[in-house]
Amino acid sequence: GAVVSQHPSWVICKSGTSVKIECRSLDFQATTMFWYRQFPKQSLMLMATSNEGSKATYEQGVEKDKFLINHASLTLSTLTVTSAHPEDSSFYICSPRAGINYGYTFGSGTRLTVV
Amino acid sequence: AQKVTQAQTEISVVEKEDVTLDCVYETRDTTYYLFWYKQPPSGELVFLIRRNSFDEQNEISGRYSWNFQKSTSSFNFTITASQVVDSAVYFCALSEEGAQKLVFGQGTRLTINP
Repeated sequence: GAVVSQHPSWVICKSGTSVKIECRSLDFQATTMFWYRQFPKQSLMLMATSNEGSKATYEQGVEKDKFLINHASLTLSTLTVTSAHPEDSSFYICSPRAGINYGYTFGSGTRLTVV
Repeated sequence: AQKVTQAQTEISVVEKEDVTLDCVYETRDTTYYLFWYKQPPSGELVFLIRRNSFDEQNEISGRYSWNFQKSTSSFNFTITASQVVDSAVYFCALSEEGAQKLVFGQGTRLTINP
């Protein structure tokens, strides 16, 4: 159980364009989704928390207008990086809250490169 | 505030050696959860273990073992008879009850040389 699908695995985009990352929970319903970011050779840092049907809560220093999060259903959440810049190049990982499963399942991650 | 410290940035050992990865945490909560994850070069996070704050019993899983000591706020991870496939970055993480988000340590890059 607790299978998570994250797409795309990697993406290269030009500066100024937008990129959408999808995270799906395939065999469970995720009421909460956590989005993490990992810069090269660094640790994972929480960017935002979203609850199904509600607005996302962003961590300090994360621009809510730049990183749009949609959690419209219990099985799908999306993160859109708008007007991407090279400094947004990073590894983005989703993590759905799977009820009593405190194993904290993670998606396989999306490596974003902005050129 | 919660914090996780992995003081060892990089460790390199020869295959078959035992290696211990240190993890020290800080939290004001009495109920919390501690985790270890493995991150191979491909990037995905592989769950290794979860331990809650009321269970100080050490755990062994094959070549892996974990030592949880609340008195020193440590949750160390030992790999016995290391193998090249163990090479990865290992993260220790903490979650306070109710918060559910994970706070990660800086990670330890482990290299097992043949």
